[in-house]
Formats: sequence, structure tokens, C-alpha cells
Amino acid sequence: KNEVEQSPQNLTAQEGEFITINCSYSVGISALHWLQQHPGGGIVSLFMLSSGKKKHGRLIATINIQEKHSSLHITASHPRDSAVYICAVLFRETSGSRLTFGEGTQLTVNP
Amino acid sequence: DVKVTQSSRYLVKRTGEKVFLECVQDMDHENMFWYRQDPGLGLRLIYFSYDVKMKEKGDIPEGYSVSREKKERFSLILESASTNQTSMYLCASSLYPPRLAGYNEQFFGPGTRLTVL
Repeated sequence: KNEVEQSPQNLTAQEGEFITINCSYSVGISALHWLQQHPGGGIVSLFMLSSGKKKHGRLIATINIQEKHSSLHITASHPRDSAVYICAVLFRETSGSRLTFGEGTQLTVNP
Repeated sequence: DVKVTQSSRYLVKRTGEKVFLECVQDMDHENMFWYRQDPGLGLRLIYFSYDVKMKEKGDIPEGYSVSREKKERFSLILESASTNQTSMYLCASSLYPPRLAGYNEQFFGPGTRLTVL
């Protein structure tokens, strides 16, 4: 069964701290997405990765295909970064690809 | 600015009622999706549609049906609502379907929090 596991489930940080959220998956993938969900429900896409590293502002996403692992880093965290961060993995299957979502990591950044 | 809108942010219905959740996108996307999101389970795909009048079952289609009569609109129907369908429902659209190599991001609506009493 294709699986996606995120850690930690909950994370509380002080403003300014460096934050890391992890995502591990079970088998070969086509791509991996990091999504952000703010209170109230709306989800936005942060990154799509199939290899290496991407950076956007204070956010950095990395993926290690051999280790089946991705990390999302937030530098100089701010209370407005408080949200649920979701890893979504596009698994390769014989019939095509299938998108599977992790449970999400609830991040709270305190001032 | 691209947009996916959903008809209601909050909805309260009674057991046995027929419930319609509407989703509209303005990006001319072929592909539209309905997910439900529950604590500890993440997002799970209910149905998706890859063209007008075309649909495919997702991981948890039981108790739901869908309708896509126009490209921009995708409706989720709960034929007879039950308490275990209390959840957050999220609609999304994308240019490519997940099964194609050229898949890119999905654009999500704000969600509808449905409570079935």
C-alpha cells in the first residue's frame, strides 16, 4: 500500500526559530508536493519537487529520492507561518499515478 | 487571480437529507476533484472528473455521487446524508490529471464544513 507519513504531527515554535517538517513515503514516486492550509480551510500549493531542492522566500523544500524522504524548512519563523503543512505524494502505479496525502503537521509559531 | 469557489463555508443538515455541494472554477481546467478531510486521516479523494460528464471513483466514493454538466462546475451529492459524513469537504481543479506525467499543482477551494445531525 502506498503510504505517506509526516512528522511531527504538532509543532510549536517561538518566532525566529528554524523549523523542519518531515515527510517519508513508501515506494517510488513521480513528484511530491508541499501544501499549506490556513485556519478556515483554504489550501495553497507551496512546492512541487521531483528531485533536489527548491527555495521560495523563507521556505526551502528538499527531497532525497534514494531515502524516500522530503523536508520542508522554514527559516526565521513568524506567527503568520502558523498553519497545517501537508505533504502530498504522486505515486507511480501501473495504471498511471495516484496522489496520496499525509495527515498534515500543525505548526504554531508564538510571538 | 485564479479561483475555485465553493457554495457554502458551513452547512448543517439532518440525517437522511439530500445534500448538494457545489464547486466552480474559473481556470478552464479539465480536471476537478472532491476530497474530504478528517482529523488523523488527511485528505481522501471521493471522486474526480476529467471532462464534462466524465467521472472516476476515488478512494471513498460510497454514499456519494457527482455531476459535471459544465466544465467549470463540479457538484458533490450526498444522496442520504449520514452522521459519518460530517467532515470538511474540499474541491480542487488542475490542468492535468494526476495520472499523467505532466501533472502540476491542484488549486483548492476554501472548503465546506458539513455537519450532519
